[in-house]
Amino acid sequence: EAQVTQNPRYLITVTGKKLTVTCSQNMNHEYMSWYRQDPGLGLRQIYYSMNVEVTDKGDVPEGYKVSRKEKRNFPLILESPSPNQTSLYFCASSAGAVGNQPQHFGDGTRLSIL
Amino acid sequence: RKEVEQDPGPFNVPEGATVAFNCTYSNSASQSFFWYRQDCRKEPKLLMSVYSSGNEDGRFTAQLNRASQYISLLIRDSKLSDSATYLCVDNQGGKLIFGQGTELSVKP
Repeated sequence: EAQVTQNPRYLITVTGKKLTVTCSQNMNHEYMSWYRQDPGLGLRQIYYSMNVEVTDKGDVPEGYKVSRKEKRNFPLILESPSPNQTSLYFCASSAGAVGNQPQHFGDGTRLSIL
Repeated sequence: RKEVEQDPGPFNVPEGATVAFNCTYSNSASQSFFWYRQDCRKEPKLLMSVYSSGNEDGRFTAQLNRASQYISLLIRDSKLSDSATYLCVDNQGGKLIFGQGTELSVKP
């Protein structure tokens, strides 16, 4: 089954404790992306990647890092999480290198930073 | 001004009604747009792409007006299952800008 898998689905942690949210897709997609969704602000893009070793900043990259060492994986790293990063996070992938094909989203990761 | 703006609603309509959403975008160079739907904090799902000539998929019709920089989505014969939030998306060469979404509630 074609899917985008995020882990963990839920996480409560404390300020400053480094965490990684993993994202994996099994569709051989070039394009992958991370979003956060907050009430009243909608979905905002954090980082995206058009292929292995190619990453670019989205609208809200501050406080996040990503890497794309393999085509299937695109982890999101919070080196020193802060409460304002409490949010619902989605990973997505699509065929084609510029994201102009429909995006397939993961189920979401709900992060709470205390 | 936000890059992609939508009326947040909610739009409350009876079953069978026709409802239209508009979305305006600020980047005149944008070429690629989508409509997604999202159910209650679940993952967004593609509803349809938006083509310059307008396109239809069953009860749904999407249109693009480049001169006025807006995109529309028309839903005919609304069903209860159409209740969701509809997201307009501007794809700027990989950088995706989402509107805040328009909430639709279809009542019996």
